Amino acid sequence: GAVVSQHPSRVICKSGTSVKIECRSLDFQATTMFWYRQFPKQSLMLMATSNEGSKATYEQGVEKDKFLINHASLTLSTLTVTSAHPEDSSFYICSARGLAGASYEQYFGPGTRLTVT
Amino acid sequence: GQNIDQPTEMTATEGAIVQINCTYQTSGFNGLFWYQQHAGEAPTFLSYNVLDGLEEKGRFSSFLSRSKGYSYLLLKELQMKDSASYLCAVRDRGNKLVFGAGTILRVKS
Repeated sequence: GAVVSQHPSRVICKSGTSVKIECRSLDFQATTMFWYRQFPKQSLMLMATSNEGSKATYEQGVEKDKFLINHASLTLSTLTVTSAHPEDSSFYICSARGLAGASYEQYFGPGTRLTVT
Repeated sequence: GQNIDQPTEMTATEGAIVQINCTYQTSGFNGLFWYQQHAGEAPTFLSYNVLDGLEEKGRFSSFLSRSKGYSYLLLKELQMKDSASYLCAVRDRGNKLVFGAGTILRVKS
């Protein structure tokens, strides 16, 4: 089946620094990638949607200057959390949809646990 | 606004059958998904319904009624490894997945 990887799986950073999370589709071309955030015991909240080669579309309430998304190729999207604060600590999950499997399917990465101290 | 409701927690016994309900009100409908998520891991796909009726896949079945904005996930012959959170998600008019808060299922022996 289609595989999506994320790196790193866990990261701890100091307040004020920036962190980059990579999301890769390993065996298919991802025309669309999604970034979600999940707080403990809560559901996934969509942050933004990105299509290869174009600017990401951010959900209401998500600061685009704080959460920089780049979808430079059909297999790679990156999320950079800039000037991280403790309240940005969360589980970040990417998801990809594209030329793999059934057209309706969306494949999720294993997630990245971000802790800001 | 978008709203997806499912019970917060359920407990069932190993070997039994459990039904997890989901009701939704979304801006448009392009299919309903059920995902399983173990703690600290990403969701894994279980089922997809876009037409009314029952879809069966091994021990898991999912039902959809679009007129009622209602779905359920049925798990048969429960196993301890089925203890997880089950997420109901609707793909809306904009083709975005909107997730419910999830139902934590605890399977006891």
